[in-house]
Amino acid sequence: AIQMTQSPSSLSASVGDRVTIACRASQGIRNDLGWYQQKPGKAPKLLIYSASSLQSGVPSRFSGSGSGTDFTLTISSLQPEDSATYYCLQDNNYPFTFGPGTKVQIK
Amino acid sequence: EMQLLESGGGLVQPGGSLRLSCVASGFTFSSYWMTWVRQIPGRGLEWVANINREGSEKFYVDSVKGRFTIFRDDAKNSLYLQMNSLRAEDTAVYYCARQVVTSSDVFDVWGQGTVVTVSS
Repeated sequence: AIQMTQSPSSLSASVGDRVTIACRASQGIRNDLGWYQQKPGKAPKLLIYSASSLQSGVPSRFSGSGSGTDFTLTISSLQPEDSATYYCLQDNNYPFTFGPGTKVQIK
Repeated sequence: EMQLLESGGGLVQPGGSLRLSCVASGFTFSSYWMTWVRQIPGRGLEWVANINREGSEKFYVDSVKGRFTIFRDDAKNSLYLQMNSLRAEDTAVYYCARQVVTSSDVFDVWGQGTVVTVSS
């Protein structure tokens, strides 16, 4: 199975800060990667698919980049409602695998 | 409004069985692949299984192969997960999700989750 890693595991930033989360796959997955946001007690929410495509209805401050093994989720200007855990998911190969998550907190 | 509603979770002893259900509304259920994802309390997400539109293709994570079966009933707009030989490590919140299969596979509509606890 393809292993996914994320860094950092958690971060604390101020409102308005630019935040970057990294995700790495154990082997090349082209651009078959999505990013999901999960708030406590809630289901995950799709933010980005195909590494860089913004899901309809998601604020434009979220963006994704990367291909192959290295990917990035960027929040250009952190907002209070962005406090959540963020997961990457590879859909290149079965079994689909999630990264361990990055918890984003607001200072 | 597109919705998924899971049910069937509960407390079950190790070695027991449970069937989860997921009822869809607000979209044409038969046109979509469907998937199950679980989350161990306080931990991350794990993809469990999915099924194609026709019900003829099914994929599973290794840890549930031979124990779990995913199936669907399009007449009832319902997805199911039959879980047998349950283990303590199957304790989790189970989510069903709609899977859109294009150039990528995305899970764009999620249920609220149902809790499965495996304990004696």
